[in-house]
Amino acid sequence: QVQLVESGGGLVKPGGSLRLSCAASGFTFSDYYMSWIRQAPGKGLEWVSHISGSAFHTSYADSMKGRFTISRDNAKNSLYLQMSTLRAEDTAVYYCARLPYCSGGWCPCYFDYWGQGTLVTVSS
Amino acid sequence: DIQMTQSPSTLSASVGDRVTITCRASQSISSWLAWYQQKPGKAPNLLIFDASSLESGVPSRFSGSGSGTDFTLTISSLQPDDFATYYCQQYNSHPYTFGQGTKLEIK
Repeated sequence: QVQLVESGGGLVKPGGSLRLSCAASGFTFSDYYMSWIRQAPGKGLEWVSHISGSAFHTSYADSMKGRFTISRDNAKNSLYLQMSTLRAEDTAVYYCARLPYCSGGWCPCYFDYWGQGTLVTVSS
Repeated sequence: DIQMTQSPSTLSASVGDRVTITCRASQSISSWLAWYQQKPGKAPNLLIFDASSLESGVPSRFSGSGSGTDFTLTISSLQPDDFATYYCQQYNSHPYTFGQGTKLEIK
């Protein structure tokens, strides 16, 4: 069965950096777009970034552009989010999620499987 | 950015009730809308995609409808497991935005 397991969250000071990982299993990882979505404590969901199966295409929410970098290692079935210049408002649970399979062209960007999330706290 | 507005923000209902949650987009998104259910401390779970397509494994008491700017999620007969927060999400255009959520509570 599809499993997504995030790791790497923790407490970091404002201005600091953190790298999140997501280990995928149960499907052919390289065939799927993957995404990061976050949820601040007690708040709603916010899409962060996504990456194509080949890693050729990436996209970011404007507030993360230039500070966050999404990447993947298909040989390791792993997704990453490198976060830098972190701010208090980046405090959230970060979820790794899979987009449904698409064979090319326009791919629908909803999320059919989610990990359990990893908490990032930005505080001095 | 496309703004997604859900109503109501909180809904109190009883087991067996039929409930409807509304999601309105700030501009047309065709049928590019998904619905998710989230329980406390858990990840969201996909219920509906393409506005009205039921995700595999989701009970048939859940249904979605709408197109353009106005959408609804209907639960035909509430079960105890359905008390949760529900989110809509548009994927018509980047950035992909979510509604603020509707918390479904036990009356």
